[in-house]
Amino acid sequence: DAKTTQPPSMDCAEGRAANLPCNHSTISGNEYVYWYRQIHSQGPQYIIHGLKNNETNEMASLIITEDRKSSTLILPHATLRDTAVYYCIVRVALVSNFGNEKLTFGTGTRLTIIP
Amino acid sequence: EPEVTQTPSHQVTQMGQEVILRCVPISNHLYFYWYRQILGQKVEFLVSFYNNEISEKSEIFDDQFSVERPDGSNFTLKIRSTKLEDSAMYFCASKRGYTDTQYFGPGTRLTVL
Repeated sequence: DAKTTQPPSMDCAEGRAANLPCNHSTISGNEYVYWYRQIHSQGPQYIIHGLKNNETNEMASLIITEDRKSSTLILPHATLRDTAVYYCIVRVALVSNFGNEKLTFGTGTRLTIIP
Repeated sequence: EPEVTQTPSHQVTQMGQEVILRCVPISNHLYFYWYRQILGQKVEFLVSFYNNEISEKSEIFDDQFSVERPDGSNFTLKIRSTKLEDSAMYFCASKRGYTDTQYFGPGTRLTVL
């Protein structure tokens, strides 16, 4: 399994862009980078994912380096509601049942948005 | 927007009792999962389910656990004889196809006394 490394915590001022880094230096060519977040003890919420190219949706942007060894999740205008734990996950494919892969969560980055 | 739903939101039970946690995955999804999160710890994979059978289970998912899709809409997790250490948030997730994203439900908080 490709592992990810994230800083344990970050602060960001409300209204500013929050940039959350993730290192995944052992990622293999067919593995996606996924980002989820968890607010309090709620269910993990999907944010965005990518393979090689940068991606953007209504929630965030994902910047993946050319060598794919790291990525950055960008919340362009952070609000207090973005305070959460953010997880960077490399999606693992099971050989035995191709496609039915589990997600392996680490400890994530606790992002605090400061008023 | 379709969502994964879970019931109950909070379940309190006595040690040794059986509990069934219920999930309604998104309607056209084919792959189903249970995860759990003990307070203050990581989200951990328990089991994946596809085509009416278990695809993979973790070492947490021992003989006390079982899953079932009793009809076309529900997906259940049963714990036969609960232990204190089963106290956790239990999350159901589903996805439509191989390349698709897993979406999580809001969770059931299980408290074993």
